[in-house]
Amino acid sequence: QQQVKQSPQSLIVQKGGIPIINCAYENTAFDYFPWYQQFPGKGPALLIAIRPDVSEKKEGRFTISFNKSAKQFSLHIMDSQPGDSATYFCAATYGSARQLTFGSGTQLTVLP
Amino acid sequence: KAGVTQTPRYLIKTRGQQVTLSCSPISGHRSVSWYQQTPGQGLQFLFEYFSETQRNKGNFPGRFSGRQFSNSRSEMNVSTLELGDSALYLCASSRGGLYQETQYFGPGTRLLVL
Repeated sequence: QQQVKQSPQSLIVQKGGIPIINCAYENTAFDYFPWYQQFPGKGPALLIAIRPDVSEKKEGRFTISFNKSAKQFSLHIMDSQPGDSATYFCAATYGSARQLTFGSGTQLTVLP
Repeated sequence: KAGVTQTPRYLIKTRGQQVTLSCSPISGHRSVSWYQQTPGQGLQFLFEYFSETQRNKGNFPGRFSGRQFSNSRSEMNVSTLELGDSALYLCASSRGGLYQETQYFGPGTRLLVL
């Protein structure tokens, strides 16, 4: 019940495309859903996060869509750039806990 | 403000040995969490320390332990190393307050067990 399932495992898009990464969770106690970006040799860095009381959140070119009834959330990257090529992880936690449950990751490649 | 630092960055050990990894959080951060990252299992939570006390623990065997010092620096120890312990070990720091907040990750320590 602690799992967060992420898809696809890898994604290749052309520059300017809109890659979409999807995540689904089971534990209804989760109430905080961050997305992290990781470049090779670096630790994950927070991109954007959402709580289940909103259905969408935008920060720059990154948008999270959240469907509480379906227990699903997704990351959209608008006008993707080659510099966005990285591994993206969705995660979930609850309350004030610092214990993040991560999805399996999506390796995104944006072709020039 | 300096980020989260981890030492050493790379480490090679043999089976049966033990290893200690260090993490220095961002100044003012009192919570330090540790994660193991492997290609097969992904990112998995090990434990979290706040004000020198373990506040949360993941599902890892007792060979994995940690501690936190009064300056918030944290160490994790793995005893009797196994081949499967080869991984990138990441620590993350945050202020540790009552509300959810950004966790800042360090670059990790890459451990190879031979």
